[in-house]
Amino acid sequence: SAVISQKPSRDICQRGTSLTIQCQVDSQVTMMFWYRQQPGQSLTLIATANQGSEATYESGFVIDKFPISRPNLTFSTLTVSNMSPEDSSIYLCSVEGRGQDYEQYFGPGTRLTVT
Amino acid sequence: QKEVEQNSGPLSVPEGAIASLNCTYSDRGSQSFFWYRQYSGKSPELIMFIYSNGDKEDGRFTAQLNKASQYVSLLIRDSQPSDSATYLCAVNSLGSGGYQKVTFGTGTKLQVIP
Repeated sequence: SAVISQKPSRDICQRGTSLTIQCQVDSQVTMMFWYRQQPGQSLTLIATANQGSEATYESGFVIDKFPISRPNLTFSTLTVSNMSPEDSSIYLCSVEGRGQDYEQYFGPGTRLTVT
Repeated sequence: QKEVEQNSGPLSVPEGAIASLNCTYSDRGSQSFFWYRQYSGKSPELIMFIYSNGDKEDGRFTAQLNKASQYVSLLIRDSQPSDSATYLCAVNSLGSGGYQKVTFGTGTKLQVIP
């Protein structure tokens, strides 16, 4: 499976500010995914990022709040904009495996606390 | 109805016993089914996936799939304290924009008692 890194690993931010999270993969991948995992909850898909096109957002998530970039096949960023304490969460990026079974592999995550 | 349902647990089993984790899903069009293990403070780790009815074995782990009943299970034989974690069931389905996506259950917390 691909090796995935995320920056930063954690951050504490003030409400009203924005944070950009980076996701780097050691091999080229078509699809990258961004998830949120709130405390004690499971993973919720925010959006799918396909290189060369606009990200596709799931219900309840909008581009103005979570803008995503996908400049090439190994890198993506997720910005959490105008943050509030409700945005405190772990943000994870993932990529699909090389097979045809839609399995995904996750980065280490970014733990965000908004005060 | 939730798309992927799991009992949140905790499920406590003694060391050496078989742990049985269960999951049901709602989308009959789903083709692939996954089990992830997540240790506290860590990201999910894929441990098994299955796409055909029946059993799939990998070491101490066996995944079982029954598409007619929309039921997936994970058996862990000879459970070890290091197996103590939250186990997430996940299922593929069609997402927004026509891409395949993976939907996760809320997870079952497993505790293996030494």
